[in-house]
Amino acid sequence: GQNIDQPTEMTATEGAIVQINCTYQTSGFNGLFWYQQHAGEAPTFLSYNVLDGLEEKGRFSSFLSRSKGYSYLLLKELQMKDSASYLCAVRDSNYQLIWGAGTKLIIKP
Amino acid sequence: IAGITQAPTSQILAAGRRMTLRCTQDMRHNAMYWYRQDLGLGLRLIHYSNTAGTTGKGEVPDGYSVSRANTDDFPLTLASAVPSQTSVYFCASSLKAGGEETQYFGPGTRLLVL
Repeated sequence: GQNIDQPTEMTATEGAIVQINCTYQTSGFNGLFWYQQHAGEAPTFLSYNVLDGLEEKGRFSSFLSRSKGYSYLLLKELQMKDSASYLCAVRDSNYQLIWGAGTKLIIKP
Repeated sequence: IAGITQAPTSQILAAGRRMTLRCTQDMRHNAMYWYRQDLGLGLRLIHYSNTAGTTGKGEVPDGYSVSRANTDDFPLTLASAVPSQTSVYFCASSLKAGGEETQYFGPGTRLLVL
């Protein structure tokens, strides 16, 4: 079967750095996405990785290792508005997105 | 209209009733999707459409049907609602299916089936 694993919840302090991990086992791989979802709202796109390595976008970076079936999302200089759920999704061999359950990130002052 | 809209925002429905969730996008995206999101689970694909006139089944299609008569609209119908269909339903679209195309999500419909 196909599986995406992420920690259920993480807590971090305002101004700090946090790394959210995602491991996957899917039938084929055609890219990995990270989305942010604030409570009661729709998911919004953060990043896309298809090749190994690090993609940086401002305070957010995403890393991919295809051989390990592993990705992480790195958030720097945390702000209170970063409190949200972070969803990892993998595009499989049928080009459908398989979604993890999401990691709820709680930022404390 | 800007982006994707969904209607209704929320709904309480009696079991056995028929219900259509509406989704409209004005981005001229070819691909559209319906997901359900339940607590503790990832988004699960119900149905999708890669282009107007075509539809396909996702991971959890039973009890749901869709149509794609034109590019903009992608309604989801529950023929006879059951309590297990209580969920948050998100419609999404992308310029095309596959590749690095980002999916853009509507605001969601919160459905409670009693």
